[in-house]
Amino acid sequence: GENVEQHPSTLSVQEGDSAVIKCTYSDSASNYFPWYKQELGKRPQLIIDIRSNVGEKKDQRIAVTLNKTAKHFSLHITETQPEDSAVYFCAASGNDKIIFGKGTRLHILP
Amino acid sequence: KAGVTQTPRYLIKTRGQQVTLSCSPISGHRSVSWYQQTPGQGLQFLFEYFSETQRNKGNFPGRFSGRQFSNSRSEMNVSTLELGDSALYLCASSLAVGGASVSEAFFGQGTRLTVV
Repeated sequence: GENVEQHPSTLSVQEGDSAVIKCTYSDSASNYFPWYKQELGKRPQLIIDIRSNVGEKKDQRIAVTLNKTAKHFSLHITETQPEDSAVYFCAASGNDKIIFGKGTRLHILP
Repeated sequence: KAGVTQTPRYLIKTRGQQVTLSCSPISGHRSVSWYQQTPGQGLQFLFEYFSETQRNKGNFPGRFSGRQFSNSRSEMNVSTLELGDSALYLCASSLAVGGASVSEAFFGQGTRLTVV
């Protein structure tokens, strides 16, 4: 069946450095790719999304890139800050389905 | 407008019992999805309801069931509880018009179920 692979499962970066999380998907019908951030004890919340007719989208320190041919999409966080510490989930959706990756726990080191 | 509301927030049950969780979506949202979240397992998809019909189903045993009412509110039921069912159960609602790509999902705070 369709799935979304997310890597790495855990990521530690020095404060101020960049973090990159990568996802691959299998369903070629996927056309909407959201990223969610879940802080400890809180609900997942959308931080950025991209649709299949766009290759890259930026929102301040966060950017997402999409390669539809390779079925890859990535989240880039620049100038990381302590408040970026959280679990990040990617997802791929289309054909009335949304499938989440298993999440990446991002630690920002002081 | 009000967000996604899940009740109860916390629940403790014993093995063998059954439990019903409730989710009220954002007004106007017709799609409600349910997820099980356990440490290290991410978001495991349970099922999705749209206009009172189960549209998608994950790989969970038949002990897990759900339904959606005409006002889009949804309930999830787990029968014959097992220790391994202890988890955070999240629901998410979205506009998701049938046949179109899924739009942003808004999550509730979740129900933390502990089975003892």
